[in-house]
Amino acid sequence: DAGVIQSPRHEVTEMGQEVTLRCKPISGHDYLFWYRQTMMRGLELLIYFNNNVPIDDSGMPEDRFSAKMPNASFSTLKIQPSEPRDSAVYFCASRLYYGYTFGSGTRLTVV
Amino acid sequence: QQQVKQSPQSLIVQKGGISIINCAYENTAFDYFPWYQQFPGKGPALLIAIRPDVSEKKEGRFTISFNKSAKQFSLHIMDSQPGDSATYFCAASNLGADGLTFGKGTHLIIQP
Repeated sequence: DAGVIQSPRHEVTEMGQEVTLRCKPISGHDYLFWYRQTMMRGLELLIYFNNNVPIDDSGMPEDRFSAKMPNASFSTLKIQPSEPRDSAVYFCASRLYYGYTFGSGTRLTVV
Repeated sequence: QQQVKQSPQSLIVQKGGISIINCAYENTAFDYFPWYQQFPGKGPALLIAIRPDVSEKKEGRFTISFNKSAKQFSLHIMDSQPGDSATYFCAASNLGADGLTFGKGTHLIIQP
């Protein structure tokens, strides 16, 4: 298995632009999580899905953030409009039973 | 999310020594306690994990010690090697209800 696949690996965008991050979970995993990592706040859970259904989005910082999981093999995290304080590494992880597997992340820089 | 407090923030250990990282949690509903290792430019990778029904788990040079009454758990790395230099995160979860809550991380440096 190729693991959790995230794209793009790096994204540089201007303030106010829309940004879409993509994730392909491991086949058969029934949970998908989006995390954000910054030096100041560490790893924060943004939202998670179970069987493609959003379960808890209480970690989403603002209405500018939205996430979807249209099918079991694909999820997106969208930021619209983006702001410099959104600059971070965004990780997607999938899980079956106890085992969480993280992708390599998308490093987002908003200038 | 309930907090997971991790210490120390950074740690320098000589090659061959024992590295010890500690974590404390608040939520008694947590029932899964993993440790993750992260190298620069990579995502966190599961190192070892424990459930609250055991007090210790060992996998190779890595050991988790778990104290349910104190709500604390720790990672011990025996015979530490330069290749162990990385950032380590403890985490906790209520598997039936939510995702992982992470500690702030420990930057470990193993000096040759």
